[in-house]
Order: sequence, then C-alpha cells, then structure tokens
Amino acid sequence: DTGVSQNPRHKITKRGQNVTFRCDPISEHNRLYWYRQTLGQGPEFLTYFQNEAQLEKSRLLSDRFSAERPKGSFSTLEIQRTEQGDSAMYLCASQGASSETQYFGPGTRLLVL
Amino acid sequence: GDSVTQMEGPVTLSEEAFLTINCTYTATGYPSLFWYVQYPGEGLQLLLKATKADDKGSNKGFEATYRKETTSFHLEKGSVQVSDSAVYFCALSRGGSEKLVFGKGTKLTVNP
Repeated sequence: DTGVSQNPRHKITKRGQNVTFRCDPISEHNRLYWYRQTLGQGPEFLTYFQNEAQLEKSRLLSDRFSAERPKGSFSTLEIQRTEQGDSAMYLCASQGASSETQYFGPGTRLLVL
Repeated sequence: GDSVTQMEGPVTLSEEAFLTINCTYTATGYPSLFWYVQYPGEGLQLLLKATKADDKGSNKGFEATYRKETTSFHLEKGSVQVSDSAVYFCALSRGGSEKLVFGKGTKLTVNP
C-alpha cells in the first residue's frame, strides 16, 4: 500500500493554457474524489468516481474542467483555458469499498500567471 | 446544504497545554464526522472519526465525541506537543461513499 500519489506536485502556467493533473489511488480502492483547496480554506468537493463511472460533479466544476477515470484506476483532471482564479491546491483522495475513510494524496499546487 | 463551522484560528499554545478546537455542523440525518490534520508540507491525514451519536473517536491522544443534541464534534487533547503544530480540519459525510464537507481549518502552533 503505497498511498495516493499525484503528479505533478507543482504546476505554473500562463492564463489561457490547458493543464492536466494525474492521481493514482491506493490499489483496489474503487472510489476516487477530487477536491480543490484555496489558501485559508478547507478542501471543496469537485467530483467523484466509483470505478470508471463519474457519479457526482459539484457546480464548482465549470465546463472548463473535465475529469476521467478510464479504467477505474488512475484519474486525470484537466482544466482548459486556465484563469487566475483556478490557482489552488488540487487534492485527490481514494476510498475502499468497505471503508468510510478517504485517503488523500499530497496534492498538485497550480499557479496561473 | 451541509456545512461545518470551525473555531477561528490561529491558536497558539505552550507545550503541555490543554487544547480544544470547536466544531459544529449542519446536516440532515446522521452524518459521519471526521477530524483531518495537515502537517506542514504534507497531505491531509485522518486523525479520528465517529460514525454515530455519542461515539468517541480517539487517536494520538486526541479525542472528539459526536454530540447530536448540540451538533458538535469538538477536538480535545490534554497535553499538546510541539509536534502537534498543524492545521486541523473538521469534516462530515452523509454516508460511506459520500463526499466530505470540510470546515475552514484551524491552525495550531505549539511553542516549547
């Protein structure tokens, strides 16, 4: 059990560019969550997968955001046409089928210039 | 909608002091309640949890009791250490596969 990993850990981009983040959950965890955390705030839910199915999306997730989990293992979160307001820490968490505990990765810190 | 309200920080204590961080929630039904901790430079880690009324979660000397009558889940520790310096987040979820709803976090600094 190597924990949840996220790549990259840091990303600096210019406004208008597209970025993609990757999350590798704990193996055999069928649930995967994405959250966003801005400075001084708690994480806010973005979206949730059970296996490869995306079951819930927050209204925070504008149409510039898309997430996938094609084989029910790793997941990607893409932000198109980034804006300065997208600057935040993006967190991924995974959860096993018989557990109430979500395990978080270290996050990807995005800075949009 | 569901929400969590945490005591405003930052909190600064001396080593061996008693710690309380207040947390109250608003939710329908019977949510599960959690405390997560974020140490400097690290990811969120589950500290403790409680899944039903009157349950007490405990870990590493920290405790919190699920109080449905006051919709609270206050975090306590009898004697804090410098290594407890971190940001503490109270959170709730509606069920086993539900998203977490977090409070804003409380930064704790413990001085020697």
